[in-house]
Amino acid sequence: DAGVIQSPRHEVTEMGQEVTLRCKPISGHNSLFWYRQTMMRGLELLIYFNNNVPIDDSGMPEDRFSAKMPNASFSTLKIQPSEPRDSAVYFCASSLKGTSGGYEQYFGPGTRLTVT
Amino acid sequence: SQKIEQNSEALNIQEGKTATLTCNYTNYSPAYLQWYRQDPGRGPVFLLLIRENEKEKRKERLKVTFDTTLKQSLFHITASQPADSATYLCALEGNTPLVFGKGTRLSVIA
Repeated sequence: DAGVIQSPRHEVTEMGQEVTLRCKPISGHNSLFWYRQTMMRGLELLIYFNNNVPIDDSGMPEDRFSAKMPNASFSTLKIQPSEPRDSAVYFCASSLKGTSGGYEQYFGPGTRLTVT
Repeated sequence: SQKIEQNSEALNIQEGKTATLTCNYTNYSPAYLQWYRQDPGRGPVFLLLIRENEKEKRKERLKVTFDTTLKQSLFHITASQPADSATYLCALEGNTPLVFGKGTRLSVIA
């Protein structure tokens, strides 16, 4: 398997522009997670899906952020409008979650977003 | 408020020695604790998972302990090598999905 695939790997945009990050999870995994990583705040969970349904979006910073998972093999994270403080590395991760916890997550390579 | 602290931002050790990293938490009751490795420019990679009813788990040169009374996990790398240099993240899972600490950057000096 190719692992979790994210695109683009790098994105530089101007403040106010719309940014769309993409993720393809590992085939067969039923849970998908979007994280943001900065030096100051570390790795923060933004939202996660189980069986394509958003379960917890309490980590989404504000209404400018939205995420979708239209099918089991694709998810997007959109920022509109973008702001300089959104600059960070955004990771997508997937896992095979059972009825109980204790499931390892597989991370993609990340998208480094710079908003000028 | 819930808090995860990893003992230090950076740890330098000599090759061949045992590296010990600490993860402390407050106001959590995790059922599981995981350790991940992250190299620069890459996503975290899963290393080990330990359950709340397990005291210790080993994998090759890695050992993890989990003390729910002390609210602490220790992560050991024995016979450390320069290739072990990376940032190591602990993560807790309880009633919420994984919550990560900020990590400890380990440098193994040859």
